[in-house]
Amino acid sequence: AIQMTQSPSSLSASVGDRVTITCRASQGIKNDLGWYQQKPGKAPKVLIYAASRLQSGVPSRFSGSGSGTDFTLTISSLQPEDFATYYCLQDYSYPLTFGGGTNVEI
Amino acid sequence: QLQLQESGSGLVKPSETLSLTCTVSGASIGDSAYYWGWIRQPPGKGLEWIGVIYYRGNTIYNPSLNSRVTISVDTSNNHFSLKLTSVSAADSGVYYCVRRATRPEYFDSWGQGILVTVSS
Repeated sequence: AIQMTQSPSSLSASVGDRVTITCRASQGIKNDLGWYQQKPGKAPKVLIYAASRLQSGVPSRFSGSGSGTDFTLTISSLQPEDFATYYCLQDYSYPLTFGGGTNVEI
Repeated sequence: QLQLQESGSGLVKPSETLSLTCTVSGASIGDSAYYWGWIRQPPGKGLEWIGVIYYRGNTIYNPSLNSRVTISVDTSNNHFSLKLTSVSAADSGVYYCVRRATRPEYFDSWGQGILVTVSS
């Protein structure tokens, strides 16, 4: 199975900060990667798919980049509603595997 | 508007079988553009993919659960189901049903989740 290593596991930031989360795959996965946001007690929701495509309805301050083994989720200007846990997921091959998550806190 | 709703027993005894159903509204399970599946999350931990099913009944499971898991689909009633046998406390957590888009593939819709506790 492809292993997804996400970093950092947690970070502290302030409103307005630029935040970057990275995900590294144990082997090349082309651009088959998604980013999901999960708030406490809620189901995750997709932000980015195919590494850089913004899901409909997601604010443009979220962006994704990368291909092969290294990927990045960037929040250009952190908003109060963005404090949550973020997960990457490789969609390249089964079994699908998630990164360990990044908790973004104040 | 698409909605996925999990239902089933929230308390299962060790060694017994966990059974959940996901009822889909606002879309057809028979839509060839999508897979349907399950993801779980142990308390305070990360996400684990369980498996997916296509409307024709083709399934792909996580090898870590392969021998214990069965996902089935009922297109006439627009729902799909999960069975996990021989459960233990490690199977406790929130179970989400999901829709998986194809080309490209990603999970575009999630149910609200159902908490399952394995305990005697």
